[in-house]
Amino acid sequence: DAGVIQSPRHEVTEMGQEVTLRCKPISGHDYLFWYRQTMMRGLELLIYFNNNVPIDDSGMPEDRFSAKMPNASFSTLKIQPSEPRDSAVYFCASSLAGYRDTIYFGEGSWLTVV
Amino acid sequence: QKEVEQNSGPLSVPEGAIASLNCTYSDRGSQSFFWYRQYSGKSPELIMFIYSNGDKEDGRFTAQLNKASQYVSLLIRDSQPSDSATYLCAVNPASGGSYIPTFGRGTSLIVHP
Repeated sequence: DAGVIQSPRHEVTEMGQEVTLRCKPISGHDYLFWYRQTMMRGLELLIYFNNNVPIDDSGMPEDRFSAKMPNASFSTLKIQPSEPRDSAVYFCASSLAGYRDTIYFGEGSWLTVV
Repeated sequence: QKEVEQNSGPLSVPEGAIASLNCTYSDRGSQSFFWYRQYSGKSPELIMFIYSNGDKEDGRFTAQLNKASQYVSLLIRDSQPSDSATYLCAVNPASGGSYIPTFGRGTSLIVHP
């Protein structure tokens, strides 16, 4: 399997611009997660989906962030408008259902907002 | 608030020594425990999981779980410079129907030749 695929790998954008991060989970996985990682806050769960349905978005920092999963093989995380404090690595991850299942991470999208 | 605590380190050990990484968690009902390794600039990858009290060995790695004391540890025997990475502890609370793990901040391990 190709694993979790994210794009873009790196993005540099100006403050105020819209940023869209994309993710293709591992085929057959029921859960999809979006995480943000910074030195200050570590790995934070932003939102997760189960069978394409958003279950918990309490980690989304504010209304500038939105996520969608239109089908089982694609998800987006959008930031509009972007701010310098959004600079971080954004990981998409997926897993099978169940509390004993491993979370598989994509390689991450490195976002810099200047 | 379910919390997972790790010493941020860095933990520095000489090559060939045993590295001991510790993690404590707040939710007594937690059911499953994972250790992820993250190399600098890379994504986290699973190296061990443990569900039952006691020890679980996999090659040079041993995970230890003590539910009564609410801690889980990872021992790395014969540490190698290639083990230098950040180790993330993840705990699945399995309470309230949530099977989503909570991650600690990670411990940075440096193995020097």
